[in-house]
Amino acid sequence: DAGVIQSPRHEVTEMGQEVTLRCKPISGHNSLFWYRQTMMRGLELLIYFNNNVPIDDSGMPEDRFSAKMPNASFSTLKIQPSEPRDSAVYFCASSPHRVAETQYFGPGTRLLVL
Amino acid sequence: DQQVKQNSPSLSVQEGRISILNCDYTNSMFDYFLWYKKYPAEGPTFLISISSIKDKNEDGRFTVFLNKSAKHLSLHIVPSQPGDSAVYFCARRAGNMLTFGGGTRLMVKP
Repeated sequence: DAGVIQSPRHEVTEMGQEVTLRCKPISGHNSLFWYRQTMMRGLELLIYFNNNVPIDDSGMPEDRFSAKMPNASFSTLKIQPSEPRDSAVYFCASSPHRVAETQYFGPGTRLLVL
Repeated sequence: DQQVKQNSPSLSVQEGRISILNCDYTNSMFDYFLWYKKYPAEGPTFLISISSIKDKNEDGRFTVFLNKSAKHLSLHIVPSQPGDSAVYFCARRAGNMLTFGGGTRLMVKP
């Protein structure tokens, strides 16, 4: 299995631009998570889906952030408009069932907003 | 509110010796605590976990101890190897949610 796949691996954009991060979970996993890692706040959960349905989005920082999961094999995290404080590493993770002992992380997308 | 704290941002250990990574928590509602290991430019990878009903779990060189009365857990790596050099995160799992500590960077010197 290829593991969780994220694209792009690196993104540099200018303030005000739209940014779309993509994630393909491990096949057969039905829970998907988006995390953000910053120096100040560490690793924080933004949103998670179960069976393509958003279950908890309380970690999404503000309305500029949105996430979708149109099918079991694809999810997007969109920031519009982006701001310099959004610069971080964004991780996607998946787990095989609703209450799973562990989550499997992708390699992350490093986002820099100038 | 930092529910999971790793108070040591870094730790340096000689190869072959024991590494002890610590984690404190405030919220006693959890199913498991997990330890993740992270190399630069990679995502965290699961290392070992401990159930809320246990006080010790061992897997090879890695042992996790849970002290519920002190709300403290620790990860022991023995013997430490240079390849263990990474950032280690403890994470509290409640339901399907993970709450991570800030991480401890372990450096194992040859």
